[in-house]
Amino acid sequence: DAGITQSPRHKVTETGTPVTLRCHQTENHRYMYWYRQDPGHGLRLIHYSYGVKDTDKGEVSDGYSVSRSKTEDFLLTLESATSSQTSVYFCAISSTEFYGYTFGSGTRLTVV
Amino acid sequence: GQQVMQIPQYQHVQEGEDFTTYCNSSTTLSNIQWYKQRPGGHPVFLIQLVKSGEVKKQKRLTFQFGEAKKNSSLHITATQTTDVGTYFCAPPNQAGTALIFGKGTTLSVSS
Repeated sequence: DAGITQSPRHKVTETGTPVTLRCHQTENHRYMYWYRQDPGHGLRLIHYSYGVKDTDKGEVSDGYSVSRSKTEDFLLTLESATSSQTSVYFCAISSTEFYGYTFGSGTRLTVV
Repeated sequence: GQQVMQIPQYQHVQEGEDFTTYCNSSTTLSNIQWYKQRPGGHPVFLIQLVKSGEVKKQKRLTFQFGEAKKNSSLHITATQTTDVGTYFCAPPNQAGTALIFGKGTTLSVSS
């Protein structure tokens, strides 16, 4: 969807290396979210943000950190990548707390 | 933790047949949303239901929210190949901070 971009779209990295995924929005939405999608698990919430420098943990936050220094950018960092973090990562934005998330196109991350 | 159960997990239909997916929660929900994800794509918001017993229609899609606000359903009439994808229900989590997603129902349609 226009207004939200994720980078990179694909990445292969080695176990133990740090990785940062970027979510950029041009909608000026307050709320931003990171989910991971794995076969058989649906979408699981990693971290979310409700404003600049306001972030909190989701259900699968271990091994991940986030930062939001500007409204438009929400960064997800894998501090030391493991094979269990191989997944598709989706960023989502919303203008209100719950209504109608807009998702980015996703980042496919492979940890070898 | 809080979960929503979606059934069936997979459904294959012939083009023109109807399709229904169900979403069940053990707790009362304030609202529920539905999303569609095409193969290789990202989830796309379809609709939000808020009121007990609410029914909303979008062309061939009918969405219902149960009277007790613990379940919801999506019914597609006369499926088309363009309906292929995974359908997710998504209510707010118990903390009221974000949406949780069911595991989805993957629909395949043969012509």
